[in-house]
Amino acid sequence: GENVEQHPSTLSVQEGDSAVIKCTYSDSASNYFPWYKQELGKRPQLIIDIRSNVGEKKDQRIAVTLNKTAKHFSLHITETQPEDSAVYFCAAGGNEKLTFGTGTRLTIIP
Amino acid sequence: DAGITQSPRHKVTETGTPVTLRCHQTENHRYMYWYRQDPGHGLRLIHYSYGVKDTDKGEVSDGYSVSRSKTEDFLLTLESATSSQTSVYFCAIRGTSGDNEQFFGPGTRLTVL
Repeated sequence: GENVEQHPSTLSVQEGDSAVIKCTYSDSASNYFPWYKQELGKRPQLIIDIRSNVGEKKDQRIAVTLNKTAKHFSLHITETQPEDSAVYFCAAGGNEKLTFGTGTRLTIIP
Repeated sequence: DAGITQSPRHKVTETGTPVTLRCHQTENHRYMYWYRQDPGHGLRLIHYSYGVKDTDKGEVSDGYSVSRSKTEDFLLTLESATSSQTSVYFCAIRGTSGDNEQFFGPGTRLTVL
């Protein structure tokens, strides 16, 4: 089955700086790669996703890149703000199931 | 929130007792999922359903069973709860856009003493 590894497990950045979270996956059949943000005590919320036929996708301050050859994908958050503090999860999957990474706790330092 | 509710939202039970968690959706989604979330493990798939009476196992299915007798409800049962099943349980549905995007319910915090 699919195996997703996510790094780092914790990340602290100064407000206004950029944050990068990286994931690798094992199953070359995976073709869908979403990212979720989870605030304390809340449900995971989908923030951006990318499909295997696209190398990069951007939505305001958030971008995701995908390297199919190396089987890795990354989340980039620019101009970080205090409200970006949360746990972020990557996932990889195909038509039916997703496999999630273990999460990155992002802390924005004012 | 994709019309997903979970009940109960919190439950404390004792080892050896049966427990059933309910996921209810109002938008006729075909796919429904049960995950558990534990520190250091992220979200792990327990079981999922791809239609009424159609279910399949996920990566951590031991000790759990599911049922889906109608489209809107997906039940997760712990036949005999153990302390290792203390966790936060999330239900999810797959969106209808044709992609595999999943949307989560509010979660159920289960404590097994």
